[in-house]
Amino acid sequence: QLQLQESGPRLVKPSETLSLTCSVSGDSISSGSYYWGWIRQPPGKGLEWIGGFYYSGSTYYNPSLKTRVTVSADTSKNQFSLKLSSVTAADTAVYFCTSGWTHLVYWGQGTLVIVSS
Amino acid sequence: QSALTQPPSASGSPGQSVTISCTGTSSDVGGYNYVSWYQQHPGKAPKVVIYEVTKRPSGVPDRFSGSKSGNTASLTVSGLQAEDEADYYCSSYAGSNNFVFGTGTKVTVL
Repeated sequence: QLQLQESGPRLVKPSETLSLTCSVSGDSISSGSYYWGWIRQPPGKGLEWIGGFYYSGSTYYNPSLKTRVTVSADTSKNQFSLKLSSVTAADTAVYFCTSGWTHLVYWGQGTLVIVSS
Repeated sequence: QSALTQPPSASGSPGQSVTISCTGTSSDVGGYNYVSWYQQHPGKAPKVVIYEVTKRPSGVPDRFSGSKSGNTASLTVSGLQAEDEADYYCSSYAGSNNFVFGTGTKVTVL
């Protein structure tokens, strides 16, 4: 049973870079079996796919965020991360790390990140 | 890519059925059999209840069923129970390793 846990700053200033880490237990992110990714949900709004990767393949991003997003893996720590640059108030959201196959089975509890000066 | 269209709300009495639609295009819902449905209770992470249009993960009651016709997918919850009250989101593969979510539907058990 996979378990995922997000961590990172809860408050980010406008124009700066949001950085979050997802710690994985229960399997290795380099096993190649799973998709690993990030989803966000602005307060009171719907879900938005940010991007993710299969370890054996490439990384894929939401076209609307592609110029600002980087998702990467650290196999030595069994973690993967999200970086979102040039943030604005519109990037305030609960950020979930997630994993699965054709569908998202495993989710972190989510972490609220507020963009404010 | 645009969000898939869902009705904002749906409701039913205990024991009744409710069906939620999810409308996309031939580039997402209509083009692939990779439609999933997620249930989200307040303050919680989403949970998949249907995947690949009609498949149900182990542990999900058979009251949940999915279907697709053309560019529209549907989730039906039969025999509504109080614990089914939640937000529901559809999701579809949209090509080029992109995914898109629906706008979400709040299901109320009357």
